[in-house]
Amino acid sequence: AQKITQTQPGMFVQEKEAVTLDCTYDTSDQSYGLFWYKQPSSGEMIFLIYQGSYDEQNATEGRYSLNFQKARKSANLVISASQLGDSAMYFCAMREAYTGGFKTIFGAGTRLFVKA
Amino acid sequence: DGGITQSPKYLFRKEGQNVTLSCEQNLNHDAMYWYRQDPGQGLRLIYYSQIVNDFQKGDIAEGYSVSREKKESFPLTVTSAQKNPTAFYLCASSTSGRDYNEQFFGPGTRLTVL
Repeated sequence: AQKITQTQPGMFVQEKEAVTLDCTYDTSDQSYGLFWYKQPSSGEMIFLIYQGSYDEQNATEGRYSLNFQKARKSANLVISASQLGDSAMYFCAMREAYTGGFKTIFGAGTRLFVKA
Repeated sequence: DGGITQSPKYLFRKEGQNVTLSCEQNLNHDAMYWYRQDPGQGLRLIYYSQIVNDFQKGDIAEGYSVSREKKESFPLTVTSAQKNPTAFYLCASSTSGRDYNEQFFGPGTRLTVL
């Protein structure tokens, strides 16, 4: 079963507008962490934002915010005031307990295209 | 500067050859990871290590081997048993534990089998 589901293979947004990238997750753990990463065409993975399962406030980092709905098991990324440099792949990830420690599981990603 | 280095950036291998990808970090992180990424896909975990001299198989370990003799180093060997090794390989590290511990990634190695 998919642990992290990103249902939008590709998204288009007009420059300066906001966009929401969807992410749902599946876990039976009470304690876990949710992350979003950006991957430009160069291939590097850039950490954007983190949300802990016990955090009551939605995480924000500059133009990035995470819309965390625990009961729905969703952790959508909102990018405000999109810029051309935001065009990239975006991955949602979850950290949870596993045999021998903890590991992070990634979704399949959403490719975002920002139009001028 | 603290960070993770991977070498080489591009690697070409003939079928039937083993090849080793290097990953070094100077962030003093206990945990290290190897991921494989195929074009247009997400990251799949190959191996991970929480401490020195210990490592665990991830979701796609077949055809790969690792070692963790030093805290700073976590090399990945792609063996001839790996049937389709052409991919982008990413190494990452983090502090151990469940709480806030983002993974820091290296720049990746692009492996092509000729």
